[in-house]
Amino acid sequence: DTGVSQDPRHKITKRGQNVTFRCDPISEHNRLYWYRQTLGQGPEFLTYFQNEAQLEKSRLLSDRFSAERPKGSFSTLEIQRTEQGDSAMYLCASRPGQGYTGELFFGEGSRLTVL
Amino acid sequence: AQSVTQLDSHVSVSEGTPVLLRCNYSSSYSPSLFWYVQHPNKGLQLLLKYTSAATLVKGINGFEAEFKKSETSFHLTKPSAHMSDAAEYFCVVSLIGSQGNLIFGKGTKLSVKP
Repeated sequence: DTGVSQDPRHKITKRGQNVTFRCDPISEHNRLYWYRQTLGQGPEFLTYFQNEAQLEKSRLLSDRFSAERPKGSFSTLEIQRTEQGDSAMYLCASRPGQGYTGELFFGEGSRLTVL
Repeated sequence: AQSVTQLDSHVSVSEGTPVLLRCNYSSSYSPSLFWYVQHPNKGLQLLLKYTSAATLVKGINGFEAEFKKSETSFHLTKPSAHMSDAAEYFCVVSLIGSQGNLIFGKGTKLSVKP
């Protein structure tokens, strides 16, 4: 499968615990994006990387959230001290780099439930 | 600022009848516009995209959308609904100057009755 893959697909945790999600983009794509989707809403942008550089962060990304892409390939999104309001689907997407004007390619998402 | 507004949160049609999902956009520049579909427990899939070429855009599974600048609209249509079309549909605008960041509408849930 050469699409965007995310792991785990589902995570249930207790409030206050830390969680980490992983995203493996399409191999030749150097841009990687994280979005969050809550129930009844469209996805909202969190952050994006070009290779290993994190170039933009949304104000939605509080200090408890950190994203990395250390080798410019896979990325992780960590949420520290989870809150019930963090319950959402976390979507990863990738695309080729500069000069490309097309769509993002999305993974199937990681669903987080905070009890 | 760029944004999209999906005018209906839920649309219900009978199988074999036409589908119309409405979307209006707001943009200071000529935008790139997309429609994505999300089936339950599945990732977002691109249906079609408009990037300033032909104003009538054909997508997958028989869907089409027409870019109307005068009306700032990008409505999604299909002549004949199929049961498998039941899903959530998102109208999306590409944010200028943000390196491909996409702004999503709130979505329209399409139900198809037999």
